[in-house]
Amino acid sequence: EPEVTQTPSHQVTQMGQEVILRCVPISNHLYFYWYRQILGQKVEFLVSFYNNEISEKSEIFDDQFSVERPDGSNFTLKIRSTKLEDSAMYFCASRVDRGTEAFFGQGTRLTVV
Amino acid sequence: AQTVTQSQPEMSVQEAETVTLSCTYDTSESDYYLFWYKQPPSRQMILVIRQEAYKQQNATENRFSVNFQKAAKSFSLKISDSQLGDAAMYFCAYRGYSGGGADGLTFGKGTHLIIQP
Repeated sequence: EPEVTQTPSHQVTQMGQEVILRCVPISNHLYFYWYRQILGQKVEFLVSFYNNEISEKSEIFDDQFSVERPDGSNFTLKIRSTKLEDSAMYFCASRVDRGTEAFFGQGTRLTVV
Repeated sequence: AQTVTQSQPEMSVQEAETVTLSCTYDTSESDYYLFWYKQPPSRQMILVIRQEAYKQQNATENRFSVNFQKAAKSFSLKISDSQLGDAAMYFCAYRGYSGGGADGLTFGKGTHLIIQP
């Protein structure tokens, strides 16, 4: 069964460093998302991406964040200068069209020290 | 903005019994989707069930069913014959049906379901 794949599963980085979280969505999917879940809290929407551009972003998704689909298969989330409060589980998700559900990757646990 | 409320931070049920998890939401849209996701300790997000708002019939997936009350903006999940593997966090989620169709999910805070053997 096709699945959304995220790498790495866990990343530790120093405050102020840049990180790139990587995702390979399901191949025929057209809509891509990043979500964040701070430990013990609810899952929060960050950004959606469709037709090679950002469709929607939340207030969390500030200038520190960017997304890219560089080669038609990978979908990346970059955090330019990490802060302690960026420590969270980051989920990538994709769906094939507007009428379908999103499939989530297994998540990347980001720890900023 | 849409909001999703799960008023039960934790629920406990005996194995083989039935449990119902509550969810209410607030929206001004008439067309939307509702979902229940399960998050086991591995923290993977797994879709349990989905409901389109335009469908009057409640969705069912094996032991999982929903009670969708559109006028009341209520979307509860019933788990029948609870199994140990059902133990997890359960998140209710909403997605609008805008023209762009790219809306992200809005999640509730989750209900921690404990299964007592």
